[in-house]
Amino acid sequence: LAKTTQPISMDSYEGQEVNITCSHNNIATNDYITWYQQFPSQGPRFIIQGYKTKVTNEVASLFIPADRKSSTLSLPRVSLSDTAVYYCLVGENTGFQKLVFGTGTRLLVSP
Amino acid sequence: EAQVTQNPRYLITVTGKKLTVTCSQNMNHEYMSWYRQDPGLGLRQIYYSMNVEVTDKGDVPEGYKVSRKEKRNFPLILESPSPNQTSLYFCASSPGTGEAYEQYFGPGTRLTVT
Repeated sequence: LAKTTQPISMDSYEGQEVNITCSHNNIATNDYITWYQQFPSQGPRFIIQGYKTKVTNEVASLFIPADRKSSTLSLPRVSLSDTAVYYCLVGENTGFQKLVFGTGTRLLVSP
Repeated sequence: EAQVTQNPRYLITVTGKKLTVTCSQNMNHEYMSWYRQDPGLGLRQIYYSMNVEVTDKGDVPEGYKVSRKEKRNFPLILESPSPNQTSLYFCASSPGTGEAYEQYFGPGTRLTVT
């Protein structure tokens, strides 16, 4: 499984766009990039997944450059409720994959 | 409502007293797994199961047992709990096939072993 590197923490204000970058230099050809969100004392929640270029859903966008060695999770117009830990994971696109969570990025959104 | 449930949510016990944490999912998922979360270490997988009667070790299986007799249930058993098993535990499930990358996590069980 490819190792990922993310910033430990980020700060933002309500209404701003937040971009969290994840580095995964050793990503394999069959690997997908998946982001999860976790609130304190709750289980992680799937946000978005992508393989290349750009993926967008109702919650976030995921930007993946051509070399796929990094990816950026973009959260538009964050609110206080977006304060959470965000995890970037890399692995094959199967529900059998072992999810390897790092320490994630702790996002704090202030008023 | 599609969900993964865990019981109990909170448990304080003493060293050596056997306990079971139950996990149940109502989505007919094939894949289920257990994770523990500790400060500074992130989530680590304990055991996983690809289907009924099929289980395998994750990264930190020592001191734990699991069983998968029914598709919906995946209990975690601590035969002789020790203080180093004090942690926050999460059960997760996934379809296992198709668009199966999304794993659904339960609400967590906070275990304290004294």
